[in-house]
Amino acid sequence: DAGVTQSPTHLIKTRGQHVTLRCSPISGHKSVSWYQQVLGQGPQFIFQYYEKEERGRGNFPDRFSARQFPNYSSELNVNALLLGDSALYLCASLAAGGFAYGYTFGSGTRLTVV
Amino acid sequence: LAKTTQPISMDSYEGQEVNITCSHNNIATNDYITWYQQFPSQGPRFIIQGYKTKVTNEVASLFIPADRKSSTLSLPRVSLSDTAVYYCLVGVDNTDKLIFGTGTRLQVFP
Repeated sequence: DAGVTQSPTHLIKTRGQHVTLRCSPISGHKSVSWYQQVLGQGPQFIFQYYEKEERGRGNFPDRFSARQFPNYSSELNVNALLLGDSALYLCASLAAGGFAYGYTFGSGTRLTVV
Repeated sequence: LAKTTQPISMDSYEGQEVNITCSHNNIATNDYITWYQQFPSQGPRFIIQGYKTKVTNEVASLFIPADRKSSTLSLPRVSLSDTAVYYCLVGVDNTDKLIFGTGTRLQVFP
């Protein structure tokens, strides 16, 4: 079985640009979460989606948005990129009714803003 | 969610047992303790979860004292491949988000 897949693996963008990151959860998992991990820090929660509805949002500006599609894949969009948005963006999927031990993370998208 | 405190880094040698302690003085009655492992350029990976006393799986053991204000992750006979960052998380079992701290960076030497 494929795990959580994220694309692209690496990305370089210029300040002010827009970026779209993609995530495909484990087959059968209906929940997708997004995390941002800045170098040297732990992952920080951005969004959680379940059945295409937003269930939770972290302390991130409105430049960050996300959506979940009928096939449970998800996109994270970031507008007006800042240098500080450079980070590893992680997607995690969770089975319905899952618990803290049930999160499976992808390998992330490394975003560099120059 | 309860705040956790862990050592920033630890060093060990292959074959030794490593114990990483996490403090969570404000843990709530319905909070669980969960540990994740993260290798460079990879997402975190679940290691073990517990509520009280001791939990053991094929990878690690988790020791939780009666007052639950701390917990200790024990890695038996570490190898070079155990070099990673280890995160202690505390929260309700069906949480919609995971709260990570800065973790403990474990370096295993030959």
